[in-house]
Amino acid sequence: NAGVIQTPRHKVTGKGQEATLWCEPISGHSAVFWYRQTIVQGLEFLTYFRNQAPIDDSGMPKERFSAQMPNQSHSTLKIQSTQPQDSAVYLCASSPGQNSDYTFGSGTRLLVI
Amino acid sequence: QQKVQQSPESLSVPEGGMASLNCTSSDRNFQYFWWYRQHSGEGPKALMSIFSDGDKKEGRFTAHLNKASLHVSLHIRDSQPSDSALYFCAASEHTGGLSGKLTFGEGTQVTVIS
Repeated sequence: NAGVIQTPRHKVTGKGQEATLWCEPISGHSAVFWYRQTIVQGLEFLTYFRNQAPIDDSGMPKERFSAQMPNQSHSTLKIQSTQPQDSAVYLCASSPGQNSDYTFGSGTRLLVI
Repeated sequence: QQKVQQSPESLSVPEGGMASLNCTSSDRNFQYFWWYRQHSGEGPKALMSIFSDGDKKEGRFTAHLNKASLHVSLHIRDSQPSDSALYFCAASEHTGGLSGKLTFGEGTQVTVIS
């Protein structure tokens, strides 16, 4: 069990460019979550999927952020026209069901310059 | 207002000592609570969950939940240098047996001093 795999581990983008972050959840886990972590805001919920269907995207900045889960083995988080305030560690987690521990990946550290 | 609040912000404890962390929720919809631990450069890892009133012990870690006051605590006895990390309290609502989102507190930075 390789755990939740996130790629890349680090990404540097210029302001205005697009960034795509990848997540491979643990096989058999029905739910996939995206969080953003910064020193100031802490761990913020962005969005999640259950059995590949989008369930809650209430934490997503609407205009430039989008997430997809085209199949059960991976999810992507896309940020268009990146801004310096998007710099953060983006964490993906998966869970097999309610009352089960969520397993986080090591995160993608995004730096927008 | 943050729905899950933790205290203290940071804590120093001597090696072999006891560390006590606190967490309070303002949302009565939260039914399930976890403690997560995050070492630098890694994602958070689940330490333990607690869903019923009372104490739950796993090795050197003891969690306590009081649902009436929505207060959760974590006690680490015989603290080790490897316990130095950022500790998060997390809560979720009841979602009928299906996975729901976790709401995290701000975190408590624990430093174990040798």
